[in-house]
Amino acid sequence: EVQLVQSGAEVKKPGESLKISCKGSGYSFTSYWIAWVRQMPGKGLEWMGIIYPGDSDTRYSPSFQGQVTISVDKSITTAYLQWSSLKASDTAMYYCVRDREPTRHVDTATYYFDYWGQGTLVTVSS
Amino acid sequence: EIVLTQSPATLSLSPGERATLSCRASQSVSNFLAWYQQKPGQAPRLLIYDASNRATGIPARFSGSGSGTDFTLTISSLEPEDFAVYYCQQRSSWPPLFGGGTKVEIK
Repeated sequence: EVQLVQSGAEVKKPGESLKISCKGSGYSFTSYWIAWVRQMPGKGLEWMGIIYPGDSDTRYSPSFQGQVTISVDKSITTAYLQWSSLKASDTAMYYCVRDREPTRHVDTATYYFDYWGQGTLVTVSS
Repeated sequence: EIVLTQSPATLSLSPGERATLSCRASQSVSNFLAWYQQKPGQAPRLLIYDASNRATGIPARFSGSGSGTDFTLTISSLEPEDFAVYYCQQRSSWPPLFGGGTKVEIK
């Protein structure tokens, strides 16, 4: 069974750093692109960026470039999303998602997401 | 970037009725469009990809149509579990953006 299991909810202060995780299992972790999606409270879905676990090739949405870092440790089939200095506006639910089909090339990724983690709620408040 | 506009924002219907949701793109996305369903407190679920292909395990009452700039998600007969928010998403151009969502609520 394919699963993406995310780390638990976090409460942080502005300016603090944070790294949340997403552990994949039940499939060939290194063959499928994994992306992160943000959902601010009561709002819609925003695509943040994507990483290929096989070689850590990473691409970011322009809106999130320089704001977050996406990484992966394929030895433990885990992807990460991290912030170096959180802001109150980073308060949101964050989902890791798996691309629908295996492919190495970012141009042939489907960008359709068939498996979703349960979400990690990040609250940033002073 | 391509903007996706979903309408209506809210659709009030009764179980057993037909639901028709619209997604309009600011420029052509060919057939590179998906639909997702999100229930309260849950992660979204992929329903339809490439405009009209049902994802694995999705009931036949869900169907998608359209190409270019105008797309429709149809739920032929609403079941109680179908009351949720629905999002469209394009993958024709970078970045792969989502629409603002349509909430299907019980009338």
